[in-house]
Amino acid sequence: DAGVTQSPTHLIKTRGQQVTLRCSPISGHKSVSWYQQVLGQGPQFIFQYYEKEERGRGNFPDRFSARQFPNYSSELNVNALLLGDSALYLCASSLPGRASTGELFFGEGSRLTVL
Amino acid sequence: AQSVTQLDSQVPVFEEAPVELRCNYSSSVSVYLFWYVQYPNQGLQLLLKYLSGSTLVESINGFEAEFNKSQTSFHLRKPSVHISDTAEYFCAANLGGGSEKLVFGKGTKLTVNP
Repeated sequence: DAGVTQSPTHLIKTRGQQVTLRCSPISGHKSVSWYQQVLGQGPQFIFQYYEKEERGRGNFPDRFSARQFPNYSSELNVNALLLGDSALYLCASSLPGRASTGELFFGEGSRLTVL
Repeated sequence: AQSVTQLDSQVPVFEEAPVELRCNYSSSVSVYLFWYVQYPNQGLQLLLKYLSGSTLVESINGFEAEFNKSQTSFHLRKPSVHISDTAEYFCAANLGGGSEKLVFGKGTKLTVNP
């Protein structure tokens, strides 16, 4: 069975540009969460989406946005990139209500470098 | 603010030695606690979790963690480590209230040397 897939795996952008990261959840999982993992830090919660609706948002500026599609895949958009946005962006999927009990399945991440 | 603290950023040990990775959390409400493992170039995987009941929880590969409410700790232990246990370990908490957000510690890099 396919796990959570993310694309692209690596990308390099320059300051001020915009980036879109994509995530396909495990089949049957309707909830998708996004986390940012800066080098040397633990993952930080950005968003959770369930049934195409935002169900939670972390302490990130409005430059960060996301959406979920009818097939439950998701995109994370970051506008006006800053150097500090360089990080590994992790997508995780779960069955409804299971994220709170830790049953998150993570993808391998998209590593964004901002120059 | 609620937080999860991992006291050691790096822990080097020799193969077959015991190890303890420390985790403390701050919360005034009931929490769910987790340990995740991240092998090089892979995503995070759930290692074990405490939701309720027995305060000692075990994983299938020999790790165990004990929930200590009075000390607000959830330390991870293994009596004898293998080279293959080399990875980064993250302690995390869900602070309830209907949120599905997990709060992670900064991680502990466990390196098992031959």
